[in-house]
Amino acid sequence: NAGVTQTPKFQVLKTGQSMTLQCAQDMNHEYMSWYRQDPGMGLRLIHYSVGAGITDQGEVPNGYNVSRSTTEDFPLRLLSAAPSQTSVYFCASSYSWTGHIAGELFFGEGSRLTVL
Amino acid sequence: AQSVTQLGSHVSVSEGALVLLRCNYSSSVPPYLFWYVQYPNQGLQLLLKYTSAATLVKGINGFEAEFKKSETSFHLTKPSAHMSDAAEYFCAVSEGPAAGNKLTFGGGTRVLVKP
Repeated sequence: NAGVTQTPKFQVLKTGQSMTLQCAQDMNHEYMSWYRQDPGMGLRLIHYSVGAGITDQGEVPNGYNVSRSTTEDFPLRLLSAAPSQTSVYFCASSYSWTGHIAGELFFGEGSRLTVL
Repeated sequence: AQSVTQLGSHVSVSEGALVLLRCNYSSSVPPYLFWYVQYPNQGLQLLLKYTSAATLVKGINGFEAEFKKSETSFHLTKPSAHMSDAAEYFCAVSEGPAAGNKLTFGGGTRVLVKP
């Protein structure tokens, strides 16, 4: 099992450029999410999805778009990159998001993005 | 609203010494509580979780945490540190369906283990 796969692992952008961070999972998980990790701030939820065709905003959604056309894939799009979006991005998935399962996330290895 | 505070962004321990990482939470309903560990250049992985069963929770790699409702705490301990415990540790809380099942993370505590 590959688990949660993120690409690319590293990316440098100029202000105003657009790009997509890819996330794929092969565990048939219903729930998928994107977090950004910044020093001293832990992980903050950007967007999440509880199933194909369903997405919702997290704590810091501005500047990011997502879609969920299949169970396996959950890409994160930056439409016009800004230096404030320099961060490490993590995709995470879970079999479900109810009851005692809530919070048991499987993480990818991260994508380090620098915006100049 | 749910929130998490981890006391100390960096902790240094000697190999063989006690590891104690502090976590306090705020929640309007009985919470689900978690500790995650992040090794260098890797994603987070679940260390242990509390879901209203036993208040003392045992996790992987010899770690355990105790839920204390009166203190709104969920501190993580390990009796004897090993070099392989050097990592960053995150406490997290979820209020379940009451908060849209979202997970809120603390700021993290980086553990350095000295030989």
